[in-house]
Amino acid sequence: AQSVTQLDSHVSVSEGTPVLLRCNYSSSYSPSLFWYVQHPNKGLQLLLKYTSAATLVKGINGFEAEFKKSETSFHLTKPSAHMSDAAEYFCVVIIISNFGNEKLTFGTGTRLTIIP
Amino acid sequence: EAQVTQNPRYLITVTGKKLTVTCSQNMNHEYMSWYRQDPGLGLRQIYYSMNVEVTDKGDVPEGYKVSRKEKRNFPLILESPSPNQTSLYFCASSHPRRGGGEQYFGPGTRLTVT
Repeated sequence: AQSVTQLDSHVSVSEGTPVLLRCNYSSSYSPSLFWYVQHPNKGLQLLLKYTSAATLVKGINGFEAEFKKSETSFHLTKPSAHMSDAAEYFCVVIIISNFGNEKLTFGTGTRLTIIP
Repeated sequence: EAQVTQNPRYLITVTGKKLTVTCSQNMNHEYMSWYRQDPGLGLRQIYYSMNVEVTDKGDVPEGYKVSRKEKRNFPLILESPSPNQTSLYFCASSHPRRGGGEQYFGPGTRLTVT
């Protein structure tokens, strides 16, 4: 079984300050982990992905995430928040079976608010 | 432009009136999937399809049907919609062997059943 837990349903930061969105995962297999972003009234866009290569993953718009197996975490960070970062963020764990089925499990989401 | 399209984007209907939400992708992806998004629950998979004529249930399939007669299309059918199916629906596609699990999402369909 696999699951993800996003530890904060809502995070508020001031513009120009660091962003930290927390995600813990549980997986019986070596996981692939993703962060997706959803801007208001938009679809989901891939932010970054970890697929067992480098543990520090860089994504779009200055975001990055670090895979820590010992802590079963995949937290998303950004050094300096911008107003355009206001959105909902989803941590996703993916297992691809031998039969090719992609089983995605989504976290419940973290809404990021940027204070001017 | 590579994309996943859904129609309609917004739909208000009444209980019991059959409806279909279409989904089409132009990336020649084998894998397609439907999700529903509800507040506080994230996205939950309804059905998925690994290729033409191959479909299977996801986590919340009750009340839904799908078909995959062509590679590019994966319609979601609600034979008798009920108010608890009011939700935001997303279609997604991917190429499992090349994409490493990355899925491309459509813009969403907001469905209200009264």
